[in-house]
Amino acid sequence: AQKITQTQPGMFVQEKEAVTLDCTYDTSDPSYGLFWYKQPSSGEMIFLIYQGSYDQQNATEGRYSLNFQKARKSANLVISASQLGDSAMYFCAMREGMVTGGGNKLTFGTGTQLKVEL
Amino acid sequence: DGGITQSPKYLFRKEGQNVTLSCEQNLNHDAMYWYRQDPGQGLRLIYYSQIVNDFQKGDIAEGYSVSREKKESFPLTVTSAQKNPTAFYLCASSSQGGSSGYTFGSGTRLTVV
Repeated sequence: AQKITQTQPGMFVQEKEAVTLDCTYDTSDPSYGLFWYKQPSSGEMIFLIYQGSYDQQNATEGRYSLNFQKARKSANLVISASQLGDSAMYFCAMREGMVTGGGNKLTFGTGTQLKVEL
Repeated sequence: DGGITQSPKYLFRKEGQNVTLSCEQNLNHDAMYWYRQDPGQGLRLIYYSQIVNDFQKGDIAEGYSVSREKKESFPLTVTSAQKNPTAFYLCASSSQGGSSGYTFGSGTRLTVV
């Protein structure tokens, strides 16, 4: 079974609108972390936001927020007030287990290509 | 500024050749990783190292080799045994912390000619 599933290969959003990128995950480990990365066409990976499995509140970073629904095992990324510069590939990733025991291995989803239109 | 440097940015390999991709970091991170990215796919883990002189296979290690002789360096060799090496390769590093993700290099695009 896929550990990280991103079901939207591509998304379009109009400038200044909000958009939600879906991510579901599968793990039996009670301790895990969820990450979102942005990859522009240049190829670099840019860290956006992090949510720990024990965090009580949804993570927010500027225009990015993470809609964390633990029971449903979903960690959707919400981008508010979309900008043309937000056009990129977006990846959801998960780290399982305690950091000290298993290191920081990340498992990535297949990504969602977001296109922001005027 | 601290960061990760990957070189070269573009690399061409002939059939049957081994090639080595360089990855250097000055972030004082203990852990380093190599990922492969194919079009339309996510990143897949090739090898990772949590400490100097130690490394583990990831999900797609066949046809690749690594070394970790220095904390700052984690070179990846794509051997002739790797049958489909054309891909984008990303190196990353991380510290041992709860919310710390990875710092990525800018990638090497390898093409077999």
